[in-house]
Amino acid sequence: EAQVTQNPRYLITVTGKKLTVTCSQNMNHEYMSWYRQDPGLGLRQIYYSMNVEVTDKGDVPEGYKVSRKEKRNFPLILESPSPNQTSLYFCASRYRTATNEKLFFGSGTQLSVL
Amino acid sequence: DAKTTQPPSMDCAEGRAANLPCNHSTISGNEYVYWYRQIHSQGPQYIIHGLKNNETNEMASLIITEDRKSSTLILPHATLRDTAVYYCIVRPLQWGKLIFGQGTTLQVKP
Repeated sequence: EAQVTQNPRYLITVTGKKLTVTCSQNMNHEYMSWYRQDPGLGLRQIYYSMNVEVTDKGDVPEGYKVSRKEKRNFPLILESPSPNQTSLYFCASRYRTATNEKLFFGSGTQLSVL
Repeated sequence: DAKTTQPPSMDCAEGRAANLPCNHSTISGNEYVYWYRQIHSQGPQYIIHGLKNNETNEMASLIITEDRKSSTLILPHATLRDTAVYYCIVRPLQWGKLIFGQGTTLQVKP
């Protein structure tokens, strides 16, 4: 079954403690991206990756890093988390056929930084 | 990057058509209009997309104006399960940066 898997589903951490949220897809998709969602602000793109070793900034990249060493994985790294990064995070990958292209989203990671 | 403007909220009676507008006046010729919806805090789900022509699938219809500066998502017979936040986005030809905006919260009422 095609899916985008994020882990963990919930995470509580403290300011400054490095963390990684993993994202993997089993569909051989080239394009992957990360979003954060905050009340009243909708979904905002953090980073995206067009393919392996190709990443670029979205709308709100400050405080985040990503890597794309292999096609299936696109981890989101917070080197020194701060309370303003408390948010709901979504990873997505692009599904493509001859007649359709769309994003598949993961189930989300709720992050709380104390 | 083309941005979209949507009303923050709308109500619709169950069984009636829900018409959700989206303004994308800065859209360029090779950018697509996509609609997604998000129920509670789940991951957004794809609904429909289009470039110039109107489109219909099993979930909804998409009407794009001739000048492509706006579009309307139509849920023909809204049910309570259609209560969600609906996002209209403009997608560049080669993907890349996507701007979702705040979306429209649709409340379907019995």
